[in-house]
Amino acid sequence: AQSVTQLDSHVSVSEGTPVLLRCNYSSSYSPSLFWYVQHPNKGLQLLLKYTSAATLVKGINGFEAEFKKSETSFHLTKPSAHMSDAAEYFCVVTSAYNTDKLIFGTGTRLQVFP
Amino acid sequence: EPEVTQTPSHQVTQMGQEVILRCVPISNHLYFYWYRQILGQKVEFLVSFYNNEISEKSEIFDDQFSVERPDGSNFTLKIRSTKLEDSAMYFCAGVPLAGVRETQYFGPGTRLLVL
Repeated sequence: AQSVTQLDSHVSVSEGTPVLLRCNYSSSYSPSLFWYVQHPNKGLQLLLKYTSAATLVKGINGFEAEFKKSETSFHLTKPSAHMSDAAEYFCVVTSAYNTDKLIFGTGTRLQVFP
Repeated sequence: EPEVTQTPSHQVTQMGQEVILRCVPISNHLYFYWYRQILGQKVEFLVSFYNNEISEKSEIFDDQFSVERPDGSNFTLKIRSTKLEDSAMYFCAGVPLAGVRETQYFGPGTRLLVL
């Protein structure tokens, strides 16, 4: 079965420093992978997605993620954190048998300190 | 980006009561979904809905749950007789007519508390 593991439940960075949110996936197929972000009292917003095209995917707000099949990873990065990046981030994979069904990681809460 | 809305944002109910959670997708959405997140746990798929029928449902989605789109716009999730373990954040999602089904647009969620 497909699954994702987010290795850190909380990440804290200072404003202006790089962000790294880690995600590993388990899949017996070529998966589609996503990162979603949830700001307080807001819905889940799609940051970026990988669907077997370029392995380096650029998303909104300066985020990007690299699909590494050899490491079964899809880590989310940003060169310089901004205060507005503070939120919950979810790594998501599609089900092998039904691309409608999204399988979520447990989430990583990103704190950004001034 | 299209916005999906959900009402109410919060609901408190007594165990055994019926609740209806509402979702207003963007008008051209064709596929609809409900997910839930119990506090401290993962977001879990509940059900997908297309052409006025359930396409797929998870093992969580038992006979106490139902979905419908009664007026062609609102998409509702009904829990007939709530249990304590139904307390969770419930998210609705939709996919536009011309969209890719895996790229789902989520609402802000309804926080349900069953006492």
